[in-house]
Amino acid sequence: EPEVTQTPSHQVTQMGQEVILRCVPISNHLYFYWYRQILGQKVEFLVSFYNNEISEKSEIFDDQFSVERPDGSNFTLKIRSTKLEDSAMYYCASSEEGGANIQYFGAGTRLSVL
Amino acid sequence: SQQGEEDPQALSIQEGENATMNCSYKTSINNLQWYRQNSGRGLVHLILIRSNEREKHSGRLRVTLDTSKKSSSLLITASRAADTASYFCATDSSYYTGANSKLTFGKGITLSVRP
Repeated sequence: EPEVTQTPSHQVTQMGQEVILRCVPISNHLYFYWYRQILGQKVEFLVSFYNNEISEKSEIFDDQFSVERPDGSNFTLKIRSTKLEDSAMYYCASSEEGGANIQYFGAGTRLSVL
Repeated sequence: SQQGEEDPQALSIQEGENATMNCSYKTSINNLQWYRQNSGRGLVHLILIRSNEREKHSGRLRVTLDTSKKSSSLLITASRAADTASYFCATDSSYYTGANSKLTFGKGITLSVRP
């Protein structure tokens, strides 16, 4: 069964460093998303991406964040200068065009900012 | 309450019993979805109910939707120890905001099924 793949599973970084979280969405999906979940809190939407551009973003997704689809398979989330409060699970998801917007999630990347 | 608020926050039942989880939301929706999250894993889609539907079944799952009360319930019948997980409702307002928009999640319900 096709699945969304995220790497790495755990990323430890120092405050102020840049991190790139990587995702391989399901191959025939055209909508891509990033969500995050701070420990003990709800899953929060960060950004959605379609047709090589951001289609929607939340207030969390400030200038420190960026997304990119560098090739036909990868979808990345970059945090330029990490803060302690960026520590969270980051989930990538994808959905197909014309469907019911069922989103398929990866297993997540745990980001720990020290 | 915020969009996608579930209750109870935690539920502990015996294997074989039914588990009922509730979700309330505030804005107009296109559909409402339930997801499961096993410890340390990603979110897995369980079932979707559209705004013009009132009830839907899938295996041991039954979901209802009351748009007048802006609420939904998920019933898991004949629970198993393997059903132990966190359950989230998520609302989709794509119809109102554009195609394939974000999902808005609640904080989740932790279900423990005792063998």
